[in-house]
Amino acid sequence: AQSVTQLGSHVSVSEGALVLLRCNYSSSVPPYLFWYVQYPNQGLQLLLKYTSAATLVKGINGFEAEFKKSETSFHLTKPSAHMSDAAEYFCAVTTNNAGNMLTFGGGTRLMVKP
Amino acid sequence: ETGVTQSPTHLIKTRGQQVTLRCSSQSGHNTVSWYQQALGQGPQFIFQYYREEENGRGNFPPRFSGLQFPNYSSELNVNALELDDSALYLCASRAGTQNTEAFFGQGTRLTVV
Repeated sequence: AQSVTQLGSHVSVSEGALVLLRCNYSSSVPPYLFWYVQYPNQGLQLLLKYTSAATLVKGINGFEAEFKKSETSFHLTKPSAHMSDAAEYFCAVTTNNAGNMLTFGGGTRLMVKP
Repeated sequence: ETGVTQSPTHLIKTRGQQVTLRCSSQSGHNTVSWYQQALGQGPQFIFQYYREEENGRGNFPPRFSGLQFPNYSSELNVNALELDDSALYLCASRAGTQNTEAFFGQGTRLTVV
C-alpha cells in the first residue's frame, strides 16, 4: 500500500519569499512521485514528477522538488513566490505495482501576501 | 492535440437519482482513470479503464460504475445518489498502464441535494 502526507493544510508566504511545501510518502516498492497544482474550479496541472532518474526535479513555473529516500520526502520549493502561485498543491505517489494509479495527499493551500 | 475534456462542467441532482459523467481522453491515450475530490480534500481514486476493461478499482461501492468506449472515451455512472456524492469528479488519461504521467480534465462539479 502507498500513502502521502502533506504537512500543513495552509501555508502563507509573502511575495518574493521562499515557498516550501512538505510531502512525505510511504511505499513498500520504489515510488513515482508527483506534484500537481489546482486553481479554483479547475482540474489538476502537473508541476513536476520523479520517476527514478535525477533526485532533484525541476518543473514548470520555477518549482522544483528533491526526492530523499532516507527521509521518504519529496518537498516542493520555489525560491521566490509570485501572486500567481496562490493555489492548492497536491503531492501524489504511485508505483508499478499499483498500476500507476495515483494516491494523493490532502493538499496544501498556498496563499501569497503582497 | 486536444486535452482531456469532461462534460458537463456542473450539474445538480436529487438524492436517489442516477447520473452519468463523460470524459474524452487526450489523443493517443488509451487509459482513463476517474477520481472523486470532495471539498477540501485530495482526489480519491475510483477506478481505471484500459482498452475498455476495468483494471483497477478504489474503495468505492458498486453503485459507482463505468465504461470505456472503443475511441477510449469514458463514462462514470453513479446510481442511487447520496448527499456525500457531492464532489468534483476528475478524469485523467494516460498512454498505456506503464506510463506514469496522467493528464487531468477540468472536472465535473456534482451537487446532490
